[in-house]
Amino acid sequence: DADVTQTPRNRITKTGKRIMLECSQTKGHDRMYWYRQDPGLGLRLIYYSFDVKDINKGEISDGYSVSRQAQAKFSLSLESAIPNQTALYFCATSGGHLNTGELFFGEGSRLTVL
Amino acid sequence: QKEVEQNSGPLSVPEGAIASLNCTYSDRGSQSFFWYRQYSGKSPELIMFIYSNGDKEDGRFTAQLNKASQYVSLLIRDSQPSDSATYLCAVNIYGNNRLAFGKGNQVVVIP
Repeated sequence: DADVTQTPRNRITKTGKRIMLECSQTKGHDRMYWYRQDPGLGLRLIYYSFDVKDINKGEISDGYSVSRQAQAKFSLSLESAIPNQTALYFCATSGGHLNTGELFFGEGSRLTVL
Repeated sequence: QKEVEQNSGPLSVPEGAIASLNCTYSDRGSQSFFWYRQYSGKSPELIMFIYSNGDKEDGRFTAQLNKASQYVSLLIRDSQPSDSATYLCAVNIYGNNRLAFGKGNQVVVIP
């Protein structure tokens, strides 16, 4: 089983719908992140959380919100999806006793907004 | 200026040759640097990280860091078809494990 699990893996939705992408991890890391990846633009940070009570905006947070339900769970919501939010979304974690700064990624959630 | 730049276009190399990838970054205070490999449709996976100036070798991969010139490079020796992927440079520019990524460089190894 993957250490960082994202659901759903693929989702097609319509403009204006509310969408939630969920992420859970078994690595015991305290830090969790949401990135989106678009062709030609690389990975961009949406939100990050260093513990359950700590939520921070990344470089492209407009139109998104997050919830850190527990140390192991971090969900991303699109309150009213729009077509330019069509992208591949990655959850990532970092931390642990041997914290090298490395990010561990989930398998990705491909979202299409029509 | 974008924080992490990877400007080279797709790189085609013959099998067995050396592939060379370069990355520059804007924040002179950055302390940690990462190279990730990403196969099409898959998640990024770490190849190696480097903190200190100089070279760091791991198998067929060598990372080179020059903080004075603000660049980090990746060499892939004896390139194999399985090395065909996109390579992402990432820099801990914001601190606290918040990485900024370059756009990536696609490498195609031709058998």
